[in-house]
Amino acid sequence: AQSVTQPDIHITVSEGASLELRCNYSYGATPYLFWYVQSPGQGLQLLLKYFSGDTLVQGIKGFEAEFKRSQSSFNLRKPSVHWSDAAEYFCAVVPFGGSYIPTFGRGTSLIVHP
Amino acid sequence: DSGVTQTPKHLITATGQRVTLRCSPRSGDLSVYWYQQSLDQGLQFLIQYYNGEERAKGNILERFSAQQFPDLHSELNLSSLELGDSALYFCASSVDSNTEAFFGQGTRLTVV
Repeated sequence: AQSVTQPDIHITVSEGASLELRCNYSYGATPYLFWYVQSPGQGLQLLLKYFSGDTLVQGIKGFEAEFKRSQSSFNLRKPSVHWSDAAEYFCAVVPFGGSYIPTFGRGTSLIVHP
Repeated sequence: DSGVTQTPKHLITATGQRVTLRCSPRSGDLSVYWYQQSLDQGLQFLIQYYNGEERAKGNILERFSAQQFPDLHSELNLSSLELGDSALYFCASSVDSNTEAFFGQGTRLTVV
């Protein structure tokens, strides 16, 4: 079955430390891939997206993500986390072809310690 | 600001009632999506409209319905409300079926 998985429900890091949030997908063909961030009480904001081409994509707020076809992964990274990065992060996939319906992972809650 | 506007931001209503949530997509966006976000189910896709026509249906209950009007705004109607319908309801829009979706701030529905 098609699915997108974020294995970590919560991640805790210290401010200034590096961050990696994991996302794995299970689809027949490479889907379109997205990362969104949701701050408390807010909607979802698009951080970055991958459609094709360079497998390392840069996003807003200093985030980047790397698409690895062999691992069916699209992990989100940031070299140095700021306290304001504390939020819920969602990986989303859209199957290539067919209905364009973003399917979301369950999210990873990022906690940042001072 | 994503450009997607949802009203109201908060809604408290009693069981058995009916409510209407409204969404104005970004200027120029033809596609509108509705999602339900709850603690136990995460973000669940409900329904998609494209240029006034229903394009895809997800896990939408029969008590729920939606439509997209000629001016492209959309409404999600929830009827015979139950306690379990309490959730955050998001609207998102995109230009077409090949671009990213932009989300509104959501409507928090509380059924008491």
